[in-house]
Amino acid sequence: NAGVTQTPKFRVLKTGQSMTLLCAQDMNHEYMYWYRQDPGMGLRLIHYSVGEGTTAKGEVPDGYNVSRLKKQNFLLGLESAAPSQTSVYFCASSPRLEQFFGPGTRLTVL
Amino acid sequence: RKEVEQDPGPFNVPEGATVAFNCTYSNSASQSFFWYRQDCRKEPKLLMSVYSSGNEDGRFTAQLNRASQYISLLIRDSKLSDSATYLCVVNKKGSGNTGKLIFGQGTTLQVKP
Repeated sequence: NAGVTQTPKFRVLKTGQSMTLLCAQDMNHEYMYWYRQDPGMGLRLIHYSVGEGTTAKGEVPDGYNVSRLKKQNFLLGLESAAPSQTSVYFCASSPRLEQFFGPGTRLTVL
Repeated sequence: RKEVEQDPGPFNVPEGATVAFNCTYSNSASQSFFWYRQDCRKEPKLLMSVYSSGNEDGRFTAQLNRASQYISLLIRDSKLSDSATYLCVVNKKGSGNTGKLIFGQGTTLQVKP
């Protein structure tokens, strides 16, 4: 039982490049979330999903897109990376309220 | 005003000390409250839920005051391994069954030998 896994763990992008972050969970949770964490800001919700095939915007969705084609996977896409998107990205899954987090992806945009 | 506010600290305490963290939330309709722990460069993990009647788990005690919209976490007999950032978490207003949570920015605790 791996819990929540994230790929990749680290990435450096140049401004304008695109990439996809993958989140996978093996706990059969309905809800999944993408957060970013910046110093002094706490965790901020980017997008979330309440079930396979559904997605919704969170607090800071601009510049990101998501897809949940399979229940166990939640993908976060950056279409045209900007330096303001330099952050640590956490994925989480939840059966209802308690959220289980992945180890995070450290992204630097130059 | 932030939806969930915490004193960021850091709190520097000696081993064995008792330390208390406070948190205030702005949405009086919030129903669910938690404390999460985050170690340096790691992911947050649930420490404990907070119930209206207060609850205790070993050296940790959490309390909720709905009238004042205030949550607290008390750690007794601090250990070096308690050094971490403690996140106050509240469910989001109008979140229904989406499970959306609001995270405070965290309070950093450093326990010294």
